[in-house]
Order: sequence, then structure tokens, then C-alpha cells
Amino acid sequence: RKEVEQDPGPFNVPEGATVAFNCTYSNSASQSFFWYRQDCRKEPKLLMSVYSSGNEDGRFTAQLNRASQYISLLIRDSKLSDSATYLCVVHTGFQKLVFGTGTRLLVSP
Amino acid sequence: DGGITQSPKYLFRKEGQNVTLSCEQNLNHDAMYWYRQDPGQGLRLIYYSQIVNDFQKGDIAEGYSVSREKKESFPLTVTSAQKNPTAFYLCASRTGEFQPQHFGDGTRLSIL
Repeated sequence: RKEVEQDPGPFNVPEGATVAFNCTYSNSASQSFFWYRQDCRKEPKLLMSVYSSGNEDGRFTAQLNRASQYISLLIRDSKLSDSATYLCVVHTGFQKLVFGTGTRLLVSP
Repeated sequence: DGGITQSPKYLFRKEGQNVTLSCEQNLNHDAMYWYRQDPGQGLRLIYYSQIVNDFQKGDIAEGYSVSREKKESFPLTVTSAQKNPTAFYLCASRTGEFQPQHFGDGTRLSIL
């Protein structure tokens, strides 16, 4: 089993749609979790950290479910500019962050 | 503005040649990292350094070397022993153990 797994997609959605991505992780001792956004041929950029209580930043909501070992990202009212690959990142201990392979989102007019 | 600067943006390597990728940060971060990303794949850790004059191998260190003589700088050398060096190389840094990493804008390395 991979340490961090994501559905590669692509998720094709129309503008204004709500879309959700899940990411599962295998190490139950993982301490911190993040979602990054990566545009084509660019570096990953931090979208948001994921806290135990869940957190929201504008149209983006992140949730953590420790019991089932997954994190989720919900995007409401999708914009064309949301088209990108979304990377799930898990801190598995001692300076080690494990990156998922990413979920590709395509938002169409 | 604080940030991480990688250079060059594009680099070409000849057979048998060593090349060095530069990574400089002015964020005052202790920890720095080098990743490799291949098309359609996730980031894989090459080396990391938590403090000056100390660094550790990551998952795919073979064929690479690093140094950390200054807090701000963490150069990566791709040696001739790395037989498949074509990839997108990303440098990152972070301030603390459970904090997110911040990335430079990467170097694309290709073989001539």
C-alpha cells in the first residue's frame, strides 16, 4: 500500500460546481497534513494546512478523518482558475513529508 | 521579498558530466530539501538538511550529492552516476518540524 494515495482524475467539472477530493494515508502516526496546488510545469504552492477540527478558506474546505486515515478537500463554486493538480501531503515523521501523486482538476466554462 | 531562488531554470547535461543546481533562501529556514518530479508522478525526496553542515539521504539519493555550508544555500550536484537525470528538480525549505514546505520555482534538467 502506498503511503499516500490520491485518485489521479482528471475531474472534469463545469464552472460553479462543487468538487471534492479524498486522500488516504497509511501511517496512523502522521502528524500534519497539507493540500498543495500545482499548475502545469510549475512548483507546488501551499493551498492550506489541514487541522483536526477542519478548516475553511474562502471556497476551500479541508477535513481530516484520523479514524479512517483520510483527508479531503472541497472546492465550492469552481472557477476556471481552479484548474490545476491538487497534491495531498502528509508528514509521516522525522522530517519526512510524503507527497501524493496528485488529483487533476479541469474546470470548463 | 523573502523566498527561495533556484537557478538555472533550464539545464542541459552532457554524458559523463556533473552539473550543479543552485538553491538559495532568505526565509531564515533551518531545514531545506531537494525533490525530483517525473512526469505524472509525485515528488520524491533526494536529500534534506536540517542544519548547516549536516544533511541526510532521502529515498533516491544515489547519483546525487549536496552540501550545506551556509544556512541560506543548499546546492545539489547531479553526478554522472545518475543515469536518468531528466526531471524537474524542486528545492524547498520550512521553518519547523510540522510546518509546510515552501518551494522554489524549480530547475528542469535534460540530457543532451
